[in-house]
This record gives sequence, structure tokens and C-alpha cells, in this order.
Amino acid sequence: GAVVSQHPSWVICKSGTSVKIECRSLDFQATTMFWYRQFPKQSLMLMATSNEGSKATYEQGVEKDKFLINHASLTLSTLTVTSAHPEDSSFYICSARDIPVQGAGELFFGEGSRLTVL
Amino acid sequence: SQQGEEDPQALSIQEGENATMNCSYKTSINNLQWYRQNSGRGLVHLILIRSNEREKHSGRLRVTLDTSKKSSSLLITASRAADTASYFCASGRGTSYGKLTFGQGTILTVHP
Repeated sequence: GAVVSQHPSWVICKSGTSVKIECRSLDFQATTMFWYRQFPKQSLMLMATSNEGSKATYEQGVEKDKFLINHASLTLSTLTVTSAHPEDSSFYICSARDIPVQGAGELFFGEGSRLTVL
Repeated sequence: SQQGEEDPQALSIQEGENATMNCSYKTSINNLQWYRQNSGRGLVHLILIRSNEREKHSGRLRVTLDTSKKSSSLLITASRAADTASYFCASGRGTSYGKLTFGQGTILTVHP
């Protein structure tokens, strides 16, 4: 199946710093990518929908200035956690939808990026 | 966003036994999907069932969907130790394929 790669897979940073997480579709083009957040032993919560060439659509309660999303190409979306604080520590997972010839396309998930803010 | 409910929250069985996990959701759906997540890893898509389907099979997996009860079940037959993982149902919303609402998940442990 198609591969979605996330980098870094884990990162530790100090409070107040910004952290960028990349989500790449390695062997397909993705006009749409989705960013999820998962706390330990909990479910995934959709944060935002990232559309190539346009602004991301954020879910209710997600601060767009806190979580900056850029989808500059058909294979790359980035999530930047700005001025990170310990409560931002979480597992961030992206998913990407391929562009099918027909149909709705299949959804592929990255391996996730674990952020720990000290 | 509303989250689906899954039960049981945790399930512990012996290898060879069947494992059944249930999922309920609250809003109308286009499809319902089941995913597997090994600890600290990403999600692996298992199976998708559309709202007009009632049952679907894939290998040792069997999924049912009851839209009148807004519920779905995942059955894993002849379980293996390697099936140990968290299992999530996810409902597809509206016309935006890929915008998923996840259930709380079931932690399955299969003892060898």
C-alpha cells in the first residue's frame, strides 16, 4: 500500500520553542491531509484538514495560531506547534488521501510523531 | 466533535479464541472503518463498510453494521498473539472523505 511518512518520529523540546512536524506522501499525491492528536490511552481527535495550496480548516477548539499548518505541495504538509508548552505534549498523527482515477480515494496514516515539551 | 463509544474498553483472551469489539456512533455516516494501532505507532486500516452494507469479511475479520442502532461490531476469529493492539472504529462524516470521528478504542490482548 501507499506510504505516509512523518518526521520526526519523536521530539523533545523546551517550553516556548516551536516544533515542526512533517507529513509526506511518499508514492502518491495528496491534495488533502488530516492532522490528528492522540493523548495516551485515548482516541484520536481531528485537529485540522490541510488542503494543498489553500488555508487549513481547523476543528472547533483548535487554535490556528498555535498549530500552524502548511500544505505547500501535493506530497508535503507540515504542522508547527508554536511556543510549545507541556500541555501540548501528545502524539500527532497525519493521514493523507490519494487522488484516485475514480472513487473517493484511500486514506493512509503516518506512523505518528511523539512530542514531549519539558 | 462527538466521539463514538466502543466496548469493551479492554479485552483479554487466549490465542485461538474469537474477539468481538463493538462500536456505537451518534450521527449519520457514509461509512464506518476499523483501524488497528500497535502501541506508539500509526494506524493501520483494516476494513471499511459503507452505510448501505450490513456485513463485510476480510480474512479473519468480520464487520457488521446496523445503521438503525448506529452500531458496528468487529469480530476477529482464531486470534493470534500478534493481534494484540488497540482497535478503533471511525465514522466518515459528510462528503469529506478522510475526515473521521474515532471511537474510544478497545485494547485487545491475546495471550499465547
